[in-house]
Amino acid sequence: DIQLTQSPSFLSASVGDRVTITCRASQGIYSYLAWYQVKPGKAPKFLIYDASTLQSGVPSRFRGSGSGTEFTLTISNLQPEDFATYYCQQLNSYPRTFGQGTKVEIK
Amino acid sequence: EVQVVETGGGLVKPGGSLRLSCTTSGFIFSSYGMNWVRQAPGKGLEWVSSISSGNEYRHHAESVKGRFTISRDNRRNALYLQMDSLRVDDTAVYYCARDHGSEFYGMDFWGQGTTVTVSS
Repeated sequence: DIQLTQSPSFLSASVGDRVTITCRASQGIYSYLAWYQVKPGKAPKFLIYDASTLQSGVPSRFRGSGSGTEFTLTISNLQPEDFATYYCQQLNSYPRTFGQGTKVEIK
Repeated sequence: EVQVVETGGGLVKPGGSLRLSCTTSGFIFSSYGMNWVRQAPGKGLEWVSSISSGNEYRHHAESVKGRFTISRDNRRNALYLQMDSLRVDDTAVYYCARDHGSEFYGMDFWGQGTTVTVSS
């Protein structure tokens, strides 16, 4: 099975900051990686697919990059509605594993 | 508008069974792969099962293999998850989610989830 390791697990930031979350795969997964935003009590929101393609309607301050085993999600100009937990997921093979999550909290 | 609604959750004793349903609208259901993903209390997202658009293949996580079965009815635009031999650690919110076109792209539309509690 492919393991995904996100770092950091937790980060504290202020409105307007730029934050970067890293997702490392235990083996190469080409660009078959997606990112999701999860808020308590709400359905997960699909942000990015194919490592760097922004889903329709997602603000351009979200940016994904990477391929192979190392990927990043960068959020520029952090907004109040961006405070949430973010997960990466690999779609290269089954099981379709998720990272353990990165919680972004208000400093 | 794409809509995905899960039902069927509830409280069940260890060893019991439940059948979750996911009713959909707003898209051509038979053209999309579908998935179940769960989130246990205080934990992260866990992929559970996937099924291809035409029922050609199904995949299950090792943690549920032999106990859970994913299925679909393309005439009814519905997805199901039959859960047998339930364990306490199956307690979670279960989400139904649609593949974003290709199976390599991720899951673009999710329901609000249905809660399964396994407890004696």
